[in-house]
Amino acid sequence: SQELEQSPQSLIVQEGKNLTINCTSSKTLYGLYWYKQKYGEGLIFLMMLQKGGEEKSHEKITAKLDEKKQQSSLHITASQPSHAGIYLCGADYTGNQFYFGTGTSLTVIP
Amino acid sequence: EAQVTQNPRYLITVTGKKLTVTCSQNMNHEYMSWYRQDPGLGLRQIYYSMNVEVTDKGDVPEGYKVSRKEKRNFPLILESPSPNQTSLYFCASSFTTGTGYTFGSGTRLTVV
Repeated sequence: SQELEQSPQSLIVQEGKNLTINCTSSKTLYGLYWYKQKYGEGLIFLMMLQKGGEEKSHEKITAKLDEKKQQSSLHITASQPSHAGIYLCGADYTGNQFYFGTGTSLTVIP
Repeated sequence: EAQVTQNPRYLITVTGKKLTVTCSQNMNHEYMSWYRQDPGLGLRQIYYSMNVEVTDKGDVPEGYKVSRKEKRNFPLILESPSPNQTSLYFCASSFTTGTGYTFGSGTRLTVV
């Protein structure tokens, strides 16, 4: 079973366009993490959201947590080629194991 | 520089030949974990460790062993590798669960 589902699976956008990636949990969310992975490389921690309604920004990337919907969204404004990669959400449900979402592959066309 | 170091980055081996992938972190993190990443299956946890001498199975532990004799090191051992263990492996650490992970650069393992 997959605890965290991301959508879309892949995304191709023109440079300068805005985009949104969603992460939906099948269980109650107590905290949600977003990571970015360059193809074949390690994951880079972007941000962590812990409270319902919380919103955080890092450069042109904004993430929100909707506890009621058990969902988080990652929004990129004015996308650039440097934003390309795989975006993964992650959550810690049990205090011991950390689960990752299915991932969203982003391609930005110059 | 705070980091998680994995070695080797690339490894090609034959079925049945024991191998170890090393992982070391310099951040005094208590929590360490191993993941494998496969196309279409995403990242799956193999083993994790809450502290020294404390290890536990993740979702896909079969065919792997780990040890945590020191806080900084968390090696992944494949006693008898098989082709279905061909994958991209990541080691990660964090201060505790519930804080962001720091990931290693990955080890691409091919078992022929």
